[in-house]
Amino acid sequence: AQKITQTQPGMFVQEKEAVTLDCTYDTSDPSYGLFWYKQPSSGEMIFLIYQGSYDQQNATEGRYSLNFQKARKSANLVISASQLGDSAMYFCAMRSGGTSYGKLTFGQGTILTVHP
Amino acid sequence: GAVVSQHPSRVICKSGTSVKIECRSLDFQATTMFWYRQFPKQSLMLMATSNEGSKATYEQGVEKDKFLINHASLTLSTLTVTSAHPEDSSFYICSARRTSEAFFGQGTRLTVV
Repeated sequence: AQKITQTQPGMFVQEKEAVTLDCTYDTSDPSYGLFWYKQPSSGEMIFLIYQGSYDQQNATEGRYSLNFQKARKSANLVISASQLGDSAMYFCAMRSGGTSYGKLTFGQGTILTVHP
Repeated sequence: GAVVSQHPSRVICKSGTSVKIECRSLDFQATTMFWYRQFPKQSLMLMATSNEGSKATYEQGVEKDKFLINHASLTLSTLTVTSAHPEDSSFYICSARRTSEAFFGQGTRLTVV
């Protein structure tokens, strides 16, 4: 069974500061993918960043970077230079393999609030 | 990136009626789509996997007779909430798989009164 855990229900950060959102996972599949999504109050799911289990380097996308520590089974999201528009719910998710390829298992989510 | 369109974005219906939600992949063919349900301030929970041309695969605890899924073409999957009750009020969101990526629709906020 796959499991994703986000232990931070809420996080606060000052504008222009960096913030790390935690995510740990558990799977027996050797091949998997890890995603981070942003969900603003409108409800849409905005893809932020992806890390494959065999990727040697940590993924980066603009202000987003993923701190992938495979041995510790963690995939933390780092947002640099926070902006007010970053305030939203953030979900870590894992893609399963095999016949259910593409199915995502989501963590509980972290509500990020950016203060001016 | 790929576009997935979900319609309607909001719907209010009377208890006992049925509601159909559509999920379309606009610029790619999706043999597999997924339907999720999300309660306020909670995570997305997978309801079912929709496969083009075959029966949907439902997650444990999801009533297949209540949540009817049809994936009749490579670009359209529909979720019908039958005999809706107030406890079915929730945010429903679909995603479509293209290679290794999953693209989400905008979601549908269902309110049953």
